[in-house]
Amino acid sequence: EPEVTQTPSHQVTQMGQEVILRCVPISNHLYFYWYRQILGQKVEFLVSFYNNEISEKSEIFDDQFSVERPDGSNFTLKIRSTKLEDSAMYFCASSEVLAGKSEQFFGPGTRLTVL
Amino acid sequence: GENVEQHPSTLSVQEGDSAVIKCTYSDSASNYFPWYKQELGKGPQLIIDIRSNVGEKKDQRIAVTLNKTAKHFSLHITETQPEDSAVYFCAASTDDKIIFGKGTRLHILP
Repeated sequence: EPEVTQTPSHQVTQMGQEVILRCVPISNHLYFYWYRQILGQKVEFLVSFYNNEISEKSEIFDDQFSVERPDGSNFTLKIRSTKLEDSAMYFCASSEVLAGKSEQFFGPGTRLTVL
Repeated sequence: GENVEQHPSTLSVQEGDSAVIKCTYSDSASNYFPWYKQELGKGPQLIIDIRSNVGEKKDQRIAVTLNKTAKHFSLHITETQPEDSAVYFCAASTDDKIIFGKGTRLHILP
């Protein structure tokens, strides 16, 4: 069964450093998303991406965040200068069509720890 | 924007009994309501979903109901089993994003 994969599973970084979280969405999917989950809290939408551009983003997704699809398979989330409060699980998801019209498949997540 | 409220935050039921989780949403434009199960160390997994043109949907031991007028939707799990223990999230979606509730930690007691 096809699945979304994410690397690394755990990333530890110093405050102020840049991190790149990587995702490989399901191959025939066209819509890509990033969510985050602070420990013990709900999953929060960050950004959706379609046709090589951001289609929607939340208030959380400020200038410190960026997304990119550098090639035909990877989808990345970059945090330019990490803050302590960026510590969370980051989930990538993909769907065949728009979120409201088809299932979003979630990856296993990357745990980001900012020290 | 959309706001999804979910209750209860924790639920313990005896194995074999039923569990009910309730959610409300605020944006009448939401048209898709998925439910996710999250096990420890894993990402959310879709277990069932319902669209706004349907009032009820069932899949084996799991059922969802939707009341568009009241903006309520619920998850019902019957004949609960130990493997049902997990965190369950309701969510509401328009087209571009999914807004999650805060989650319900379900414990199935032996």
